[in-house]
Amino acid sequence: AQSVTQLDSQVPVFEEAPVELRCNYSSSVSVYLFWYVQYPNQGLQLLLKYLSGSTLVKGINGFEAEFNKSQTSFHLRKPSVHISDTAEYFCAVSSNRDDKIIFGKGTRLHILP
Amino acid sequence: EPEVTQTPSHQVTQMGQEVILRCVPISNHLYFYWYRQILGQKVEFLVSFYNNEISEKSEIFDDQFSVERPDGSNFTLKIRSTKLEDSAMYFCASSEAFVQFEFFGPGTRLTVL
Repeated sequence: AQSVTQLDSQVPVFEEAPVELRCNYSSSVSVYLFWYVQYPNQGLQLLLKYLSGSTLVKGINGFEAEFNKSQTSFHLRKPSVHISDTAEYFCAVSSNRDDKIIFGKGTRLHILP
Repeated sequence: EPEVTQTPSHQVTQMGQEVILRCVPISNHLYFYWYRQILGQKVEFLVSFYNNEISEKSEIFDDQFSVERPDGSNFTLKIRSTKLEDSAMYFCASSEAFVQFEFFGPGTRLTVL
């Protein structure tokens, strides 16, 4: 069975500072990894995904994530956050054997002025 | 840009009543999904649907739930006899290929009184 752990339920960051949102996964098979963003009162939007190839994945809105197989991690980073990045961020995992994705509990990114 | 649409945006119903949540996936997509998010909790997988049949379902998706693609464009989720704990945001998703999970709808907020 697969699982995703997002250790930080909330991350406060000053505007224009860098941010890293942590995600660790557990899986017995090769994984596909995703990050989604959910703005207040809105649906889920895909930020980026890792299926194969380069371990550094670039997504929308200046976000990137790095797949680290040895540490079973897929941390999300942005070098400089803006107030508009205030949202909930979900890490998710799937595999080529599953027709579903498993979500983490989410990390609320709170941008401080 | 193509998008998944869902109706209604908000549904209020009495406990024990049947509800049908509707989704219009992106037109050339073949894989369809329902997820739900209870307020303040993580997004949970309900069911996946491909080639006019359920390909995978979770423990949540019991006999009270059913899905249908009645006319080649809509994808519906029916809850036969709603319970208070069915109150949640329900998200539809569709994919062109296996494990893409790129497009989620805006969600239907179901409130069971």
